[in-house]
Parts: sequence; structure tokens; C-alpha cells
Amino acid sequence: QSALTQPPSTSGSPGQSVTISCTGTSSDVGAYNHVSWFQQHPGKVPKLMIYEVNKRPSGVPDRFSGSKSGNTASLTVSGLQAEDEADYYCSTYAASTYYVFGTGTKVTVL
Amino acid sequence: QVQLVQSGAEAKEPGASVKVSCKASGYTFTNYKIHWVRQAPGLGLEWMGISNTGDDGSRLAQKFQGRVTMTRDASTGTVYMELSRLRSEDTAIYYCTRDGGHWGDNEYWGQGTLVTVSS
Repeated sequence: QSALTQPPSTSGSPGQSVTISCTGTSSDVGAYNHVSWFQQHPGKVPKLMIYEVNKRPSGVPDRFSGSKSGNTASLTVSGLQAEDEADYYCSTYAASTYYVFGTGTKVTVL
Repeated sequence: QVQLVQSGAEAKEPGASVKVSCKASGYTFTNYKIHWVRQAPGLGLEWMGISNTGDDGSRLAQKFQGRVTMTRDASTGTVYMELSRLRSEDTAIYYCTRDGGHWGDNEYWGQGTLVTVSS
């Protein structure tokens, strides 16, 4: 089972929106509504931002939203802020491997 | 409050084994599964496996089958991950993380344990 495919990097100015894609297959992303997104600042522990495609844990700003279409899931960060600069990882359930992460995307706030 | 506290950093030689612990508190230990995730320097997250704290069962990523053992001690609320036949590529931070009952809602993470494999 290969990692889910994410763009290596993306960037945006403060106040803008960025969208990160997470592409899998019909056996993982496309088959289940079990996509999660994690934010990780350098040297820090990953933080859950989205689970079950579009659900936010308590305390996560509503600037973060998730969606899915076919075999691709997306995380959108609206109203970009300096503290959003971090690495972001998607993950999903896969029947064959149970759990798989994406390759990770570095978000830079210009 | 929910806490996952991991054991300290380890330095091992190639071929040795390492056992990392993750002590849970603030909730009923057997009600939630514990995952192990690792991150090599400068690289992404890699899922290693899941420990079913209710019955001491586990499911491992194929890559780690035969080299990783996950166990738990329900009396102390501690989960263990042992990785054997270490090689330099196993140098990484190892995290335990608890799901919240829904798939993928891994809201709680340990602080991470750095394992360095070097001769």
C-alpha cells in the first residue's frame, strides 16, 4: 500500500485560502468516509484538524474544512494566518492496510 | 485530562531491539485503541500498527510484521511497542496516539520518543 499522494508544497498570503489535495484510490479514499487531516509544526506533535472527511474536533477553527470527491480528499484553509504555516498530512482507512498517511504538504504563508 | 506519556530517548546499535512504552491516563484504558506512528528525520508520518487495549490484540502494517510486537499492561494502563533487528533506517521519532472511537480521530498523542540507531 503506497502513501496517499499530496502536493509537496503550497503557499498563500495572509487572508487568502489554500487547498491541499490528497489522492488515493477506489480502495481507500474513494471507498470510505474515513479521511483525517493532521497539522504538524516543526518539532511538534501532530495535531488532528479534521476527521471523517469534514468533522472538526473541538477547538479547531472553522477556517479549516474538509471535503472529498471520488478518490481525492481536500483540506481548505480559509483566511490564512501566520500560524497556519506547517506541514499537513492526510490519512485514511484502507481495507488492505488499515491505515495509511499521505506524503505531506508544506504550507507557507507568504 | 487524557494524557499519553512515552518513555525516554534511546540509542541502539544495529541489530538490537528497542521497547518504547506509552502510559495512558485520564480515561478508561481499555475503551480506546492505541496506534503507533513513526517519523524519520525530515520525512513524513508512517503508521506502524494498532494495539487493541481491550484484548491485547494488535494489527501491524505489513512492513513491520515480523519485527514489531505490540503489547499492553492493562493494570498500569501502558502500551508497549518493541522493534527488533534495528537498522539505521529505523532512526525516527516514535509516537503513540489514541483514537476517539471514530476512525481516524487521533486527537491525543504522546510526546514522542526518539530512537537513534547507530554503530
